[in-house]
Amino acid sequence: KAGVTQTPRYLIKTRGQQVTLSCSPISGHRSVSWYQQTPGQGLQFLFEYFSETQRNKGNFPGRFSGRQFSNSRSEMNVSTLELGDSALYLCASSFGGSTEAFFGQGTRLTVV
Amino acid sequence: QQQVKQSPQSLIVQKGGIPIINCAYENTAFDYFPWYQQFPGKGPALLIAIRPDVSEKKEGRFTISFNKSAKQFSLHIMDSQPGDSATYFCAALAGGTSYGKLTFGQGTILTVHP
Repeated sequence: KAGVTQTPRYLIKTRGQQVTLSCSPISGHRSVSWYQQTPGQGLQFLFEYFSETQRNKGNFPGRFSGRQFSNSRSEMNVSTLELGDSALYLCASSFGGSTEAFFGQGTRLTVV
Repeated sequence: QQQVKQSPQSLIVQKGGIPIINCAYENTAFDYFPWYQQFPGKGPALLIAIRPDVSEKKEGRFTISFNKSAKQFSLHIMDSQPGDSATYFCAALAGGTSYGKLTFGQGTILTVHP
């Protein structure tokens, strides 16, 4: 059974640009959550999607957005990038959002 | 109230030792407590998880102890190996509408010397 797949693995962007990250969950999982990991703030929850609907959202500015498609794949978008957005972005999939969550390898975003 | 406090920040043990990592929480709505292991350059991997109706759970060399009244839980790694050297995170998930929202501790960097 394939795990959670995130693409791309690495990204370098310039301040002010926007970026889109992709996540393919484990087959059969309908919940996808996104997290930002930084050395200073640790792992912080961004948002969760289930059946194409955002059910939960963390305390991040509106520049961070996401969506989920009918096949449960999810994308995360960050607009008007800032230097502080440099982080490892992780997605996790689970069956329903309240059970075991499995993480992908992450996308390392560097903003210069 | 949403915080999960994890200690110690770092831990060094000899091969065969039993490292113990502790976590404490305040939010009584938390009802699912997983532990994750993360190697450099990788995403967190689910190790073991527990719910509050159980005081202890073992899976292989990993054991979670849970104290509901103290709102604390801990991870014990039996017969630790150099390959266990990684960062460990405790986390908590609330029931109800907190879908997918894991609240993580700050992590413990474990080093196991041969």
